[in-house]
Amino acid sequence: GQNIDQPTEMTATEGAIVQINCTYQTSGFNGLFWYQQHAGEAPTFLSYNVLDGLEEKGRFSSFLSRSKGYSYLLLKELQMKDSASYLCAVVDSNYQLIWGAGTKLIIKP
Amino acid sequence: GAVVSQHPSWVICKSGTSVKIECRSLDFQATTMFWYRQFPKQSLMLMATSNEGSKATYEQGVEKDKFLINHASLTLSTLTVTSAHPEDSSFYICSARDPGQDYEQYFGPGTRLTVT
Repeated sequence: GQNIDQPTEMTATEGAIVQINCTYQTSGFNGLFWYQQHAGEAPTFLSYNVLDGLEEKGRFSSFLSRSKGYSYLLLKELQMKDSASYLCAVVDSNYQLIWGAGTKLIIKP
Repeated sequence: GAVVSQHPSWVICKSGTSVKIECRSLDFQATTMFWYRQFPKQSLMLMATSNEGSKATYEQGVEKDKFLINHASLTLSTLTVTSAHPEDSSFYICSARDPGQDYEQYFGPGTRLTVT
């Protein structure tokens, strides 16, 4: 079966750095997405990785290791507005998005 | 970036009635659209994949006769919840894939359905 694992919930302090991990086992791989979803809203795109390595975009960075089936999302200089759920999703061999359950990130002052 | 609209943003209906939700890609042609359902504090659950001009592909456990999907044009897909029941109350989100942008899905703002 196909499976994506990410922690259910994480807590971090405003101004700090947090890393949200995602591991996957899927039938094929055609890229990995990270989405942010605030409560009651639709997901918004954060990043897309298809090659190994680190992609940096402002305060957010995403890393991918295809050989390990592993990715992480790194959030720096945390702000209260970063409190949200972060969803990891993998594009499988059929070009379908397989979604993780999401990680709820709680930011404390 | 690509924009997807969804209408209505929220709807309250009585049990037994039907509700139609529209999903439109505003600035690109979407050959494929997706319908998701999300219950509170849970992740997205893919209901069906909608391809323009053909029948939708439903995920296991999703009743195709209850959740009617029509993708009549490259910019519009509709989801009709027929004979709605309170357990159908949920957040319904559509997304559209822009063929020219890898496999990213652009999400609509969602529709909050409450069945009383």
